Amino acid sequence: ELKVEQNPLFLSMQEGKNYTIYCNYSTTSDRLYWYRQDPGKSLESLFVLLSNGAVKQEGRLMASLDTKARLSTLHITAAVHDLSATYFCAVVQNYGGSQGNLIFGKGTKLSVKP
Amino acid sequence: EAGVVQSPRYKIIEKKQPVAFWCNPISGHNTLYWYLQNLGQGPELLIRYENEEAVDDSQLPKDRFSAERLKGVDSTLKIQPAELGDSAVYLCASSPRLAGGNEQFFGPGTRLTVL
Repeated sequence: ELKVEQNPLFLSMQEGKNYTIYCNYSTTSDRLYWYRQDPGKSLESLFVLLSNGAVKQEGRLMASLDTKARLSTLHITAAVHDLSATYFCAVVQNYGGSQGNLIFGKGTKLSVKP
Repeated sequence: EAGVVQSPRYKIIEKKQPVAFWCNPISGHNTLYWYLQNLGQGPELLIRYENEEAVDDSQLPKDRFSAERLKGVDSTLKIQPAELGDSAVYLCASSPRLAGGNEQFFGPGTRLTVL
């Protein structure tokens, strides 16, 4: 059974600082997504990572994937208040009756303070 | 392009009452998903449709939950009877291609409160 773990679950940052959110998963997969969710809102897709060593950047966010280590990171550079949200990683299940389904982590609630 | 539409946005009912949620996916999207999101948790899949066929309903509590996707477009998720533990946000998502694993676009969700 595929399990996805994120850490930290809560992150309080000061504006201007850098930090990294980690996403570990338990079995092989060929696709990983990062989503953002604002309070009371739905999930917005940020990145899709398709291969080992993939790196994608958008603004102050950069995501990477190491399929051998079964690890993805979401790096935040010079955080600003607008980045405050909950960030989820989701991994595609590659096998079994639920093949193709996304398995989500519990999310990392990020709060950026002035 | 319009996004995934869900209604109602909020629903408050008493336990043992029935409730239904409606989802209209993005036009042309063949795959539709229903998720349950508890407070402070990530979404958990309830059921996945490819066109009108439910290809994975292994996580759907079939004693009280049912779903349908007539004509492979809109979908309805029903709970009968609702229990206190069903209070959560119910999310609908759609994807343009079959076979899963592709980017999913989420609706705003229906927040259910069971009293």
